[in-house]
Amino acid sequence: DQQVKQNSPSLSVQEGRISILNCDYTNSMFDYFLWYKKYPAEGPTFLISISSIKDKNEDGRFTVFLNKSAKHLSLHIVPSQPGDSAVYFCAASGSGNTGKLIFGQGTTLQVKP
Amino acid sequence: GAVVSQHPSWVICKSGTSVKIECRSLDFQATTMFWYRQFPKQSLMLMATSNEGSKATYEQGVEKDKFLINHASLTLSTLTVTSAHPEDSSFYICSANRADTQYFGPGTRLTVL
Repeated sequence: DQQVKQNSPSLSVQEGRISILNCDYTNSMFDYFLWYKKYPAEGPTFLISISSIKDKNEDGRFTVFLNKSAKHLSLHIVPSQPGDSAVYFCAASGSGNTGKLIFGQGTTLQVKP
Repeated sequence: GAVVSQHPSWVICKSGTSVKIECRSLDFQATTMFWYRQFPKQSLMLMATSNEGSKATYEQGVEKDKFLINHASLTLSTLTVTSAHPEDSSFYICSANRADTQYFGPGTRLTVL
């Protein structure tokens, strides 16, 4: 039972354009959502998060949008840079930002120069 | 800089032996740490929640007698894979909470021959 789903295994974007990574969830008890960036053989690096009481959070080039009614969130990266190429995981928690996380399958982003 | 460390970063062992992986919080105390496992091209799966001074809480399907967790101090949690088998080969990652963010260690690659 995959409670957090990233249906696109990969995404390729041209440098300077916008990257949009999507994530869907099924458990309405989730109240905190996070995006992590991961390189092979390394641990995930925190990017940005959003509480369920908000619908948007922005941090520099990264913006996360949350649509609670659709149980959908997305990560926008603009402008995309080649250094953004990595695997992006969305994660959800039912106990705030410090609880156990349920991860999606990940989306591999490739930003072409 | 890194806030969570893991040791070793990789280990190769023979089938039937036990392997211990350490997770340390650097310069902060963590009463709760989490252990995740990632198989190739799959998501990070939560294995257990490590609680300082008490028993770990295991996720459904994770054998507590096989994956021994000890959280003996506020900066150290250990995961011991007992009687390791080739199917235990995976990437093991721990995390700890500092302030309101969950930080991940760099991971440990376990290969069981």
